[in-house]
Amino acid sequence: QVQLVQSGAEVKKPGSSVKVSCKGSGNTFNTYTINWVRQAPGQGLEWMGGIIPIFGTPISAQKFKGRLTITADKSTSTAYMELSSLTSEDTAVYYCARDLIGAFYAMDVWGQGTTVTVSS
Amino acid sequence: QSALTQPPSASGSPGQSVTISCTGTSSDVGGYNYVSWYQHHPGKAPRLMIYEVNKRPSGVPDRFSGSKSGNTASLTVSGLQTEDEADYYCNSYAGSNTLVFGGGTKLTVL
Repeated sequence: QVQLVQSGAEVKKPGSSVKVSCKGSGNTFNTYTINWVRQAPGQGLEWMGGIIPIFGTPISAQKFKGRLTITADKSTSTAYMELSSLTSEDTAVYYCARDLIGAFYAMDVWGQGTTVTVSS
Repeated sequence: QSALTQPPSASGSPGQSVTISCTGTSSDVGGYNYVSWYQHHPGKAPRLMIYEVNKRPSGVPDRFSGSKSGNTASLTVSGLQTEDEADYYCNSYAGSNTLVFGGGTKLTVL
């Protein structure tokens, strides 16, 4: 059974960067899209971007281009999401989620979430 | 990409059916059969309930069903149960390997 385990909560200053990791288990991690989704307090889910680790080419939502870096390390089955130039509006729970095997654009295995707080 | 439009709230009594709509454009919902629905209980990770418009992943009760007409997708929950009370989000492929979520609908079981 595939699991995604994310790194722990972070507190960051405005203007800094945060890097969240997402480690997968099982032998399917590298061949399916790992997505990053966030939820700000009182807000809805927001898709940020994704990557297929075996290919390594990330995709980002237009809103985050220039500020979001998504990478993956196939050797350790770990994906990373780095967001720079943080503001208070980036305070959110960040999730990684893997696509459903045999389907397109459907996220069926989720990490536990990582809380990122941006505060001076 | 603009968020898909969902009603902020929906409600029904146990045993009843409720339908949640998700309206997009021909560039997302209307253009592809890649609409998915997620159930989200506060403090927990979201759960995939429907994918590719009307398919259910293993383990999802058949009380949950999905459909699409034009630029609007719908999630129907039949035989409402108290544990169905949650936030529901639609999601659609929007071209160029990008996805977009709806604003979410809070489902209350009265």
